[in-house]
Amino acid sequence: ETGVTQSPTHLIKTRGQQVTLRCSSQSGHNTVSWYQQALGQGPQFIFQYYREEENGRGNFPPRFSGLQFPNYSSELNVNALELDDSALYLCASSAYRPGELFFGEGSRLTVL
Amino acid sequence: QQQVKQSPQSLIVQKGGISIINCAYENTAFDYFPWYQQFPGKGPALLIAIRPDVSEKKEGRFTISFNKSAKQFSLHIMDSQPGDSATYFCAASYNNDMRFGAGTRLTVKP
Repeated sequence: ETGVTQSPTHLIKTRGQQVTLRCSSQSGHNTVSWYQQALGQGPQFIFQYYREEENGRGNFPPRFSGLQFPNYSSELNVNALELDDSALYLCASSAYRPGELFFGEGSRLTVL
Repeated sequence: QQQVKQSPQSLIVQKGGISIINCAYENTAFDYFPWYQQFPGKGPALLIAIRPDVSEKKEGRFTISFNKSAKQFSLHIMDSQPGDSATYFCAASYNNDMRFGAGTRLTVKP
């Protein structure tokens, strides 16, 4: 059974640029959630996708957007990057039991 | 967004001791309360979870105590080991929205 995989693991961008982060969900999981984890903080819920539709969103601006594909993999897109967007972005997949999230190792984004 | 308050921020325990981490939540709609363990450079891993219809759940050395009326829950790690040194997050969820505490950095000294 393959776990949640994310890419890239690290990346550096400058203010105003755009970034796309990718996530492959665990086998058999049809729901993907994205979280932002700032240094020393708990993960903050960005949004969730279920069967290619957004299925809940946290308190993040519209420049954070996402996609889920038919194979349940997902992308997180962030436009007009700001310095405060520097964080670890975590993808989590889940199956039929809400709340049982399985996290990937994250993508570390640094905005200069 | 902070709806789950976690304490302490950091904790140092001797090997063999008991580690206790506490969390309090605000939203009574929350119906699932997991604890996650995170090692440096890794994503959080589900450790143990409880639903509000029970007051305690034990899995090996890990126990969750849940007090619905006080809107509080805690993680107890018995016989703490150096390998337990990590950051622990409590969380609470309802439907598709999971809120995390700010984390507790646990250090278990040999």
